[in-house]
Amino acid sequence: GAVVSQHPSWVICKSGTSVKIECRSLDFQATTMFWYRQFPKQSLMLMATSNEGSKATYEQGVEKDKFLINHASLTLSTLTVTSAHPEDSSFYICSAPRLAGGGNEQFFGPGTRLTVL
Amino acid sequence: TQLLEQSPQFLSIQEGENLTVYCNSSSVFSSLQWYRQEPGEGPVLLVTVVTGGEVKKLKRLTFQFGDARKDSSLHITAAQPGDTGLYLCAEFTGGGNKLTFGTGTQLKVEL
Repeated sequence: GAVVSQHPSWVICKSGTSVKIECRSLDFQATTMFWYRQFPKQSLMLMATSNEGSKATYEQGVEKDKFLINHASLTLSTLTVTSAHPEDSSFYICSAPRLAGGGNEQFFGPGTRLTVL
Repeated sequence: TQLLEQSPQFLSIQEGENLTVYCNSSSVFSSLQWYRQEPGEGPVLLVTVVTGGEVKKLKRLTFQFGDARKDSSLHITAAQPGDTGLYLCAEFTGGGNKLTFGTGTQLKVEL
């Protein structure tokens, strides 16, 4: 199956600093990627849709100035958590869809564990 | 926004037992997917169901799609510790590739 990677796999930062998370589709191109946030023992909540060549679209309640998304190429999207605070500590997961055989399948990255002290 | 409710929220069983997880919606699904997620990893697709009344099997897992396409179930036969994980139903929404996930069922299978 297709592979999506994330970097870093985990990061610890001080409150007030910014953290960048990368999402790469390794063997296919993705004009769209998705960013999710997952708190412990909870489901995935979609934060935003990353669009190559245009602005990201954010879900209701997600601050676009705090969670900056850049879809730099057809294989790379980045999520920057600006001025991070302890409440931003979470598991961030990206996904990329790939159309194959008339079907639509999302491939998920392994996630990035962010801890803000 | 369609709400996908899963039940039960948590399930702890012994190896060899059977279990069923449910996913219900307030409206009709276009199609439905089931994922399993292990700790510290991203979700992995198990199956996609499209047609009302559809039944799909994946080894010891049986997936059913309700006739009215408003509910789905996942049945695991003779559960094993390797089945432990978070089970998520999900639907494509927004007319595109955007996935909305259910509330999740945390399964723990003990020896």
